[in-house]
Amino acid sequence: EAQVTQNPRYLITVTGKKLTVTCSQNMNHEYMSWYRQDPGLGLRQIYYSMNVEVTDKGDVPEGYKVSRKEKRNFPLILESPSPNQTSLYFCASSLSRGFNSYNEQFFGPGTRLTVL
Amino acid sequence: GQNIDQPTEMTATEGAIVQINCTYQTSGFNGLFWYQQHAGEAPTFLSYNVLDGLEEKGRFSSFLSRSKGYSYLLLKELQMKDSASYLCAVRHRGSNYQLIWGAGTKLIIKP
Repeated sequence: EAQVTQNPRYLITVTGKKLTVTCSQNMNHEYMSWYRQDPGLGLRQIYYSMNVEVTDKGDVPEGYKVSRKEKRNFPLILESPSPNQTSLYFCASSLSRGFNSYNEQFFGPGTRLTVL
Repeated sequence: GQNIDQPTEMTATEGAIVQINCTYQTSGFNGLFWYQQHAGEAPTFLSYNVLDGLEEKGRFSSFLSRSKGYSYLLLKELQMKDSASYLCAVRHRGSNYQLIWGAGTKLIIKP
């Protein structure tokens, strides 16, 4: 089944304890992206990747790191989480950046993170 | 800057028609997307418009007017399962073709 998977789905942690949220897609997509979603706000992009070893900052990159060593995986790293990073996180992928096509994004199921 | 506006919440009756509006201000417009998001779930793609006019897909249609910076999503023959948030997103050239997302419209369907 074509899908984007994220782990963990739920995580409660404490300030300063490093964590990684994994994201994997099995559709051979070039493009991957991380978003956070907070009540009353739209999806805000954290980082994105056009292809392997190519990553760029989105709108809210502070406090996050990513890597794209393989095409299928795009982990999100919080080196020193803080309470303002409590949010719902989504990973997404699409075939390409697709600026000339509809190129829909496929989203993972989400990771609900609470930082105490 | 880039900005997208949608109503926060709408209510409609099962079997009826509802129109959800989206207005945007952006330079370098390169397409508008609508996604559906059920509570606690991931967004799923509904429609895409890049040229002016109406795109119809079953019970759902999406309209775009680039000169007015305006789009709407039209849902017909509403069903209870259509209760969800509807997200409008604009792709623009200015930010490496990334999407700017509206906050979403929560649609409540009543029997």
